Amino acid sequence: QSALTQPASVSGSPGQSITISCTGTSSDVGGYNHVSWYQQHPGKAPKLLIYDVTSRPSGVSSRFSGSKSGNTASLTISGLQAEDEADYHCSSYTSSSTHVVFGGGTKLSVL
Amino acid sequence: EVQLLESGGGLVQPGGSLRLSCAASGFTFSSYGMSWVRQAPGKGLEWVSGFSGSGGSTSYADSVRGRFTISRDNSENTVYLQMSSLRAEDTAVYYCARPVYADYYYYGMDVWGLGTTVTVSS
Repeated sequence: QSALTQPASVSGSPGQSITISCTGTSSDVGGYNHVSWYQQHPGKAPKLLIYDVTSRPSGVSSRFSGSKSGNTASLTISGLQAEDEADYHCSSYTSSSTHVVFGGGTKLSVL
Repeated sequence: EVQLLESGGGLVQPGGSLRLSCAASGFTFSSYGMSWVRQAPGKGLEWVSGFSGSGGSTSYADSVRGRFTISRDNSENTVYLQMSSLRAEDTAVYYCARPVYADYYYYGMDVWGLGTTVTVSS
């Protein structure tokens, strides 16, 4: 099962909005509405930001939003803050026997 | 408070074995499936293994199938990952994670442990 494709890095300035893409296939991202996004600060465990493409767990800021178009899912962070600097990982349900596939991760720098 | 706490990591020689444990608390462990996810140094997350809440069917990544075994002990609220024939490429931080939907380990994970480090080296 090939990993989902994410950009290695993105950057933005405080207050701006950025979008991180996550590209898969019709067997995963494009075929099911079960895409999740995780934030991971250095040395820390991942934290769930988005599940089922657009749903936010309680306690997650509304500055984080998810969407999907075709085989590509996106995470948008609005009103960028210094503490948003972290790695972001996407995952999706997949029709393969493993049922789970992750992206390679994207490093967000807040300039 | 919902918590997961991994243990059992360490340094092991290639070809060796190790058993990881993940102790759960703060929720009805027996109702949930669970997953193990690993992260090699400087790399992204890789799903390793999981089982569903009901029925307990298990699944493994191609990279570990036949070498790793996932199991659970509901009386101890603990999930295990037995790892054998370890290779250098198994070196990683191993996390256990609880699914968003109790029965389905693959629809997102909302609770993660702090991780335990496995290093495979001679």
